[in-house]
Amino acid sequence: EAGVAQSPRYKIIEKRQSVAFWCNPISGHATLYWYQQILGQGPKLLIQFQNNGVVDDSQLPKDRFSAERLKGVDSTLKIQPAKLEDSAVYLCASSLQGLGTGELFFGEGSRLTVL
Amino acid sequence: KQEVTQIPAALSVPEGENLVLNCSFTDSAIYNLQWFRQDPGKGLTSLLLIQSSQREQTSGRLNASLDKSSGRSTLYIAASQPGDSATYLCAGWTVGNEKLTFGTGTRLTIIP
Repeated sequence: EAGVAQSPRYKIIEKRQSVAFWCNPISGHATLYWYQQILGQGPKLLIQFQNNGVVDDSQLPKDRFSAERLKGVDSTLKIQPAKLEDSAVYLCASSLQGLGTGELFFGEGSRLTVL
Repeated sequence: KQEVTQIPAALSVPEGENLVLNCSFTDSAIYNLQWFRQDPGKGLTSLLLIQSSQREQTSGRLNASLDKSSGRSTLYIAASQPGDSATYLCAGWTVGNEKLTFGTGTRLTIIP
């Protein structure tokens, strides 16, 4: 079974530029999550989707971050404009079952460096 | 707000030793808990999931337990190997809070 796919693996941009990350969850997984992991810290939830609906985006900096999940499958996370403090690894995860149940499976992550 | 503490932050032990990693939640109303492993530059790999009706889970040399009354979990690794070197993170779902909250991790080094 294929795992969670993410791209690009690495991205270097200058501040005020924009960037987009893509995630393809495990086939059939209804729930999709985007996490931000700053070096030395645990992952922090940015947004979670149930099918193609947003369940929680309370920690998403909406003035610069946006995310969508097309047709309840793939998802993109966009940052525009980027700030230095956005340098982090952006992790996508999916789970078969609904919120609070089931096991989460993570992708390899997309490492963003903002100069 | 749920906060998760993992102790110790870093641990080095000789190969072959048994070890315990600890995870503590400020809100003890945890109903699902998951332990992950993260290798440098990589994503998170799921190790064990303790669901609401369970108190512990075992997989090979790994055993995780959850004490819901105190909001504490432990990950026991038996007969450690150099390949176990990684950062280990715990994460839990809290009643009334539909978010999986992560600890900051324990960086484990097994010395050959």
